[in-house]
Amino acid sequence: GDSVTQMEGPVTLSEEAFLTINCTYTATGYPSLFWYVQYPGEGLQLLLKATKADDKGSNKGFEATYRKETTSFHLEKGSVQVSDSAVYFCALSESGTASKLTFGTGTRLQVTL
Amino acid sequence: GAVVSQHPSWVICKSGTSVKIECRSLDFQATTMFWYRQFPKQSLMLMATSNEGSKATYEQGVEKDKFLINHASLTLSTLTVTSAHPEDSSFYICSAPHAGGPSTDTQYFGPGTRLTVL
Repeated sequence: GDSVTQMEGPVTLSEEAFLTINCTYTATGYPSLFWYVQYPGEGLQLLLKATKADDKGSNKGFEATYRKETTSFHLEKGSVQVSDSAVYFCALSESGTASKLTFGTGTRLQVTL
Repeated sequence: GAVVSQHPSWVICKSGTSVKIECRSLDFQATTMFWYRQFPKQSLMLMATSNEGSKATYEQGVEKDKFLINHASLTLSTLTVTSAHPEDSSFYICSAPHAGGPSTDTQYFGPGTRLTVL
């Protein structure tokens, strides 16, 4: 079955540091890939997505590239802010709007001044 | 943007009682909603797919008689935890895909419901 593996946290960085959160996946077909973010006390929000190989998703300074050859979708940001502190989930869906999501375990990011 | 609400946000109940959790899409219709369970420091695990007008589809290992799902309308799905026990204590989250939104792959998540069974 489908699965998503992401690096365990917590990740603690100083403000303006470079961020990488690794994510690899296993899927039978050609999934869409997502990063969701969960801020304290809030529901998950879509951060970015990519629907096919070599696509790059980007939003709020975060980027992730769909790498089919390495089955990866690593999340990066060049300069993190305190407000980026949250839990980040990598996820995939096999197809379409109404498809269920398979999540990674989540990575907590703590950014300090 | 699209909003999904859940009620209650937290609930504490005695062992053996039943608890109902509501999930509403506030500004869009959803023929399908998903129910997830999140354990501390773990991922979200899909429990079931709620389908408006038909029976829910449960994931393997999820007891359908214990976790009753009713998709009463295009904006409301309910999850009832029947005869709850302490091991049912968890964070329950629903989501709904918004076909008319900016992205056809976007699902919108509720803020979650924390259930504690004493």
